[in-house]
Amino acid sequence: AQSVTQLGSHVSVSEGALVLLRCNYSSSVPPYLFWYVQYPNQGLQLLLKYTTGATLVKGINGFEAEFKKSETSFHLTKPSAHMSDAAEYFCAVSGISGTYKYIFGTGTRLKVLA
Amino acid sequence: GAVVSQHPSRVICKSGTSVKIECRSLDFQATTMFWYRQFPKQSLMLMATSNEGSKATYEQGVEKDKFLINHASLTLSTLTVTSAHPEDSSFYICSASFLAGAQGETQYFGPGTRLLVL
Repeated sequence: AQSVTQLGSHVSVSEGALVLLRCNYSSSVPPYLFWYVQYPNQGLQLLLKYTTGATLVKGINGFEAEFKKSETSFHLTKPSAHMSDAAEYFCAVSGISGTYKYIFGTGTRLKVLA
Repeated sequence: GAVVSQHPSRVICKSGTSVKIECRSLDFQATTMFWYRQFPKQSLMLMATSNEGSKATYEQGVEKDKFLINHASLTLSTLTVTSAHPEDSSFYICSASFLAGAQGETQYFGPGTRLLVL
C-alpha cells in the first residue's frame, strides 16, 4: 500500500540550529509532494510543494525541501530554527495510483528550545 | 490569495442535535472541496470529497447519512453532522482546490472547527 512516513513524531532543536524533518513515501511513480505546517488549533498552511522541475524547492519562512527520487524522500530543512517555528509539520503526497487525494504522514511536532 | 474560512470555529452541542459547518473559499472559486477529521495529536483523515453541483464522494467507513455534505456553489461547502454523539467530537478541517481532480493541485485549508458534543 502506498504510504507516507515521517520519521520522528517529535523533534527538538535549539534556537538557531538546523531543522531537519524527514519524509519518505512509498510509490513506484514519483508523486506530488507537499509540506504543511499546523499551529495549535489552526488549519494547515502550505510551506512548499514539489510537482516537477527543480528538485530543491524553496518555501515560506526560510524552509526548503529536496526531492530525491532514488531515496523516495522529501525532507524539510531550515538552516536556523526560530522559536516561531514550533508547530506540527505534515508531509503529504498526491498523484499516487492516479488519485489527486492527499495522503498525509502522521506528522512531526517540532519543539524549539531557547 | 487562496484563503479558506470555516464557520463556526468552535461549537458545543447536546447529543442528538445536528450541527452545520460552513467552508468558504474567499478569494477563489473552488471546484473541489475536501472534508477532513483530525483526532488529538493525530494526522488528518479524509472524510469526503465534494465537487460543486454533484454528490460528495465519501471515504470508506464514513457514514454519508451522518455526515451530510453539500457543495452548492463554487465558494461554499457545508458539512452537517446529524444526530451528533460524543464520539463525533473532533476537529473538522476543510480544504479547497481550484481544479477538479487535478493531480498535484494544491489544497488550501481552512482554520478548522472544533466540535464538542455533550
